Amino acid sequence: GAGVSQSPSNKVTEKGKDVELRCDPISGHTALYWYRQSLGQGLEFLIYFQGNSAPDKSGLPSDRFSAERTGGSVSTLTIQRTQQEDSAVYLCASSPTTGTNYGYTFGSGTRLTVV
Amino acid sequence: AQRVTQPEKLLSVFKGAPVELKCNYSYSGSPELFWYVQYSRQRLQLLLRHISRESIKGFTADLNKGETSFHLKKPFAQEEDSAMYYCALNNYGQNFVFGPGTRLSVLP
Repeated sequence: GAGVSQSPSNKVTEKGKDVELRCDPISGHTALYWYRQSLGQGLEFLIYFQGNSAPDKSGLPSDRFSAERTGGSVSTLTIQRTQQEDSAVYLCASSPTTGTNYGYTFGSGTRLTVV
Repeated sequence: AQRVTQPEKLLSVFKGAPVELKCNYSYSGSPELFWYVQYSRQRLQLLLRHISRESIKGFTADLNKGETSFHLKKPFAQEEDSAMYYCALNNYGQNFVFGPGTRLSVLP
């Protein structure tokens, strides 16, 4: 597609439920990233995928968080047993490579609210 | 550890005044730094990259390795510059480390 697409744009869920957030990167971009944007906290790195390599999961805050990327394209971020502190905007970004210089193209994000 | 700091959460200036958004970093290597901007109700987007030495929308940023800084500057602020600005460091060619952001408010 022309840009990075994320769905849903908004999600309200009850505490303890599981949620899935979807990201469709720019076609041909081999690198895909997930970040979390909390009020007043800036952007927190969660996970990134580069081609067929094993993902860097070093930013995932707990084992309730997981992500996969199928066929080197679409990615799904799953949060199990959601907690109120998981409420944030989840941003996906992609780039042609993890190499330097390019910067990212961001999606518009999914606003998750856990009640 | 790699780290980016932006000391000002909020910066207010009047239209036509100069603006400087501060960014400092800690990094053991040759840093590559970026500025991202998020306008109201828009997605986060790349503003400029230090390696390009470019000027975008009148903004410039110079990498000062001695002071480990990458401040964003514009000589004459415009109301449409009001946005959230994030400084970011490329982390060894992998992910980016972002600062906490500075909200710029340009007053009429």
